[in-house]
Amino acid sequence: AQTVTQSQPEMSVQEAETVTLSCTYDTSENNYYLFWYKQPPSRQMILVIRQEAYKQQNATENRFSVNFQKAAKSFSLKISDSQLGDTAMYFCASMSGGTSYGKLTFGQGTILTVHP
Amino acid sequence: NAGVTQTPKFRVLKTGQSMTLLCAQDMNHEYMYWYRQDPGMGLRLIHYSVGEGTTAKGEVPDGYNVSRLKKQNFLLGLESAAPSQTSVYFCASSRTGLARETQYFGPGTRLLVL
Repeated sequence: AQTVTQSQPEMSVQEAETVTLSCTYDTSENNYYLFWYKQPPSRQMILVIRQEAYKQQNATENRFSVNFQKAAKSFSLKISDSQLGDTAMYFCASMSGGTSYGKLTFGQGTILTVHP
Repeated sequence: NAGVTQTPKFRVLKTGQSMTLLCAQDMNHEYMYWYRQDPGMGLRLIHYSVGEGTTAKGEVPDGYNVSRLKKQNFLLGLESAAPSQTSVYFCASSRTGLARETQYFGPGTRLLVL
């Protein structure tokens, strides 16, 4: 079984600054994927970034990047040049890379507020 | 291309009443999922389907039933609603069940059981 833990219920950042959201996970598998999802006030879940565990290079998507520390089972999300539209709840999630039928395991979420 | 849609957006039920939540996707995806979101607990998988006519239990299936009679639709039923089922329900779909495939989520249905 996989578990995902987000220990920061809420965070805030000033517009244009950088913020890092933390996530730790546990799995007994070698083949797995990690994700960050964004849920804005509209509630629509949007995939932000995906990391394959066997890839050592950290994934990046424009202003979003991850710090994947496999040995420490840590998967943090860095948002650079924060924008007001980044205000949302962010969920860390994991999925087995094998026969998982697409089952995602989510963390508790972190509410991020970007202040002008 | 509407993606994933959910009906209704909001519903209030009394304890013991029944209802069906409808999820529809127009992306010809094989896999569909129902999650519930509760404060402090993230999203948890209720049931899922790997294709038309198939369903399987997820992490928290008790009190819910599902059906996938048509590929594009995935229905979630509550036969006798309980206050513990007050939650926000999300449907999602993906082309396959592989982790490299993106899951697309609907806008959610907020359910209040009194």
